[in-house]
Parts: sequence; C-alpha cells; structure tokens
Amino acid sequence: QKEVEQNSGPLSVPEGAIASLNCTYSDRGSQSFFWYRQYSGKSPELIMFIYSNGDKEDGRFTAQLNKASQYVSLLIRDSQPSDSATYLCAVNPTGRRALTFGSGTRLQVQP
Amino acid sequence: EAGVTQSPTHLIKTRGQQATLRCSPISGHTSVYWYQQALGLGLQFLLWYDEGEERNRGNFPPRFSGRQFPNYSSELNVNALELEDSALYLCASSPDPPGEFFGPGTRLTVL
Repeated sequence: QKEVEQNSGPLSVPEGAIASLNCTYSDRGSQSFFWYRQYSGKSPELIMFIYSNGDKEDGRFTAQLNKASQYVSLLIRDSQPSDSATYLCAVNPTGRRALTFGSGTRLQVQP
Repeated sequence: EAGVTQSPTHLIKTRGQQATLRCSPISGHTSVYWYQQALGLGLQFLLWYDEGEERNRGNFPPRFSGRQFPNYSSELNVNALELEDSALYLCASSPDPPGEFFGPGTRLTVL
C-alpha cells in the first residue's frame, strides 16, 4: 500500500463548477497535511495546509481532513481554466519531518 | 522575501559523469529537502538536511549524496550518471513546523 494515494485523473470539470480532489494516507500518526499545485514544467506551489479535523477555507479553496478515515480532500469552488494543473497531496508521517507526496491528480477545467 | 533558488536551471551531462546541483533556502529556513521528479512521475524524496546534518534519505543509491553548508545552502551530487537519472531535481526548504516551499528546479538531462 502506498503511503499517500491519489487518483491520477484526469478529473475534468466545467468552468464554474466545484472540483473535488481526494487523498488517503496510511500512517495513522500523521499530523499535518498539505496540498500543492503543480503546473506542467513548473515546481509545486503550496496552496493549503491543515492540521485539525474538519474544514479549512482559504478563498476558493477548502481543505477537509478526517483523521479517523485517514482522508484529506481539497475542494475548489468556481473552478477556472487557470486551475488546470496537477494537485499533489502531501503528508508529514510520524517521526519524519520530510513530507511524503502522493502521485497527484490532474485537474482539467473546461471553458 | 526571496524564495528558494536553484542553479543551474538546466544541466546536460553524459553517462558516467558527475553532476552538482545547488540550492539556497529561504532566509531563516534551516531545513533543505531534495526530490527527484522523473517525467510523468511523482516526487521521490531524496535527502533531507537540517542544521548541516543529513537527517534522512530516500530509497536512492549512495551515488546520490549531498551536503549542507553553514549558511544552510545545499548541494546535491550525483556520481556515475545513468540515463534514468534524467529528471527535474527540486529543492525545498521549510520553517518549523513543516510545510515545504520549492525552488524552480534543475532539469538534468543525461545523454
């Protein structure tokens, strides 16, 4: 089992819709969770982090964490074509400060 | 605030040669992480340095090595280059608590 799992996609949504990206992790002791956006040929950009169960909102982005289910999600409201990118979920496993990354979900927002 | 910087942007080597990649973290960040991202693949953790010490390394052979200098900058050395070492090499730095900020990367091509 991979430490961090994501559906590779592509996830295709129409412009203005809500995009929902999901991630599961295997280390139950993980404490912090991150979402990165990576445009093709560019480096990952940190867009959200969450430490506590529940929702955390930042503009059009909402991160959701459920530690009991070992599940993290990212919602993007009012999706724009400029949101088209690969979204990487990252987890800080127990006892290791370096992050473990999922393989990413490719999001396509159709104009 | 200046971000993470990496040099060179591109590097072309031939099989068997050595490559040296450099990274300067964000001011105040003491941890530096190195990742390899081969074309179409996810981020693979290489090395983590903190306060001049190697704290953790990923599942890579010993010909991948590095160091961190007193000013917290870092270099990654790859000896005896192989064709499959061709990839984007990303450096990231983080404050405490974790949450990594990436540089633009070095694209290494091995011919």
